[in-house]
Amino acid sequence: AQSVTQLGSHVSVSEGALVLLRCNYSSSVPPYLFWYVQYPNQGLQLLLKYTTGATLVKGINGFEAEFKKSETSFHLTKPSAHMSDAAEYFCAVSVYETSGSRLTFGEGTQLTVNP
Amino acid sequence: GAVVSQHPSWVICKSGTSVKIECRSLDFQATTMFWYRQFPKQSLMLMATSNEGSKATYEQGVEKDKFLINHASLTLSTLTVTSAHPEDSSFYICSASPGLAAKNIQYFGAGTRLSVL
Repeated sequence: AQSVTQLGSHVSVSEGALVLLRCNYSSSVPPYLFWYVQYPNQGLQLLLKYTTGATLVKGINGFEAEFKKSETSFHLTKPSAHMSDAAEYFCAVSVYETSGSRLTFGEGTQLTVNP
Repeated sequence: GAVVSQHPSWVICKSGTSVKIECRSLDFQATTMFWYRQFPKQSLMLMATSNEGSKATYEQGVEKDKFLINHASLTLSTLTVTSAHPEDSSFYICSASPGLAAKNIQYFGAGTRLSVL
C-alpha cells in the first residue's frame, strides 16, 4: 500500500517569496505523483503530475515539483508567491492498476500568502 | 479539456430525505469514477470506486445502503445519500478517470456541500 506525508499543515510566506511545500511518499512500486490545489468550497484542480520520464515537472501557475526517488520526495515549489496562491494543497500518489487508479492523499498543507 | 461537472454545488435537505448528486465527465469517457467525502480542514476520504456498468466498490466503513452509487454510462455517475441525517452533512467530491490512456489521472468535480437539517 502507498502513503503520503505532507510536512507542515500550515505554511505562511510573504508575497514574492519562495514557496516550498513538502511531500514524501511510500510505495512498493513505481508511483505516479500529483499535486492538487483546492480553493475554498471548490473541488481539486490538478497542478502537476509525475508519471514517467523527466523528474522535474512543471505545472500551472508557475509551480514545479521534482521527483527524487532516493529521497522518496516530491516537493512543490514556486519561485515567487502571489496572493492568489493562498489555498489548500494536496500531494497524492497512485500506482498503475488495470482496474483504474486509486489516489492516496496527504493531509494537505494550507498556504497563506502575506502581503 | 478534461472537465468534470458536479451538480448541485450546494444542497440543504431535511433529515430523513434522500439527496442525489450527479457527476458528469463533459469531454471524455470516464471508465472509472470516484466519490470522496471531505470534512472541514481535512483531506479527502475515498468512499467508493465505480466502473461503468458494474457495482461500485465501497471502502471499509462506508455503508453501501446509505450511499447508493450508480454509474450507468461512461459520462455519468450518481451518488444518492438515502435517509440523510445531520451527521451526513459534509463536502462530497467526485472524480473521473479516463483510464489507462491517461495514466490513471483523476479529474475532479467542484464538489457538493450537503447540509442536513
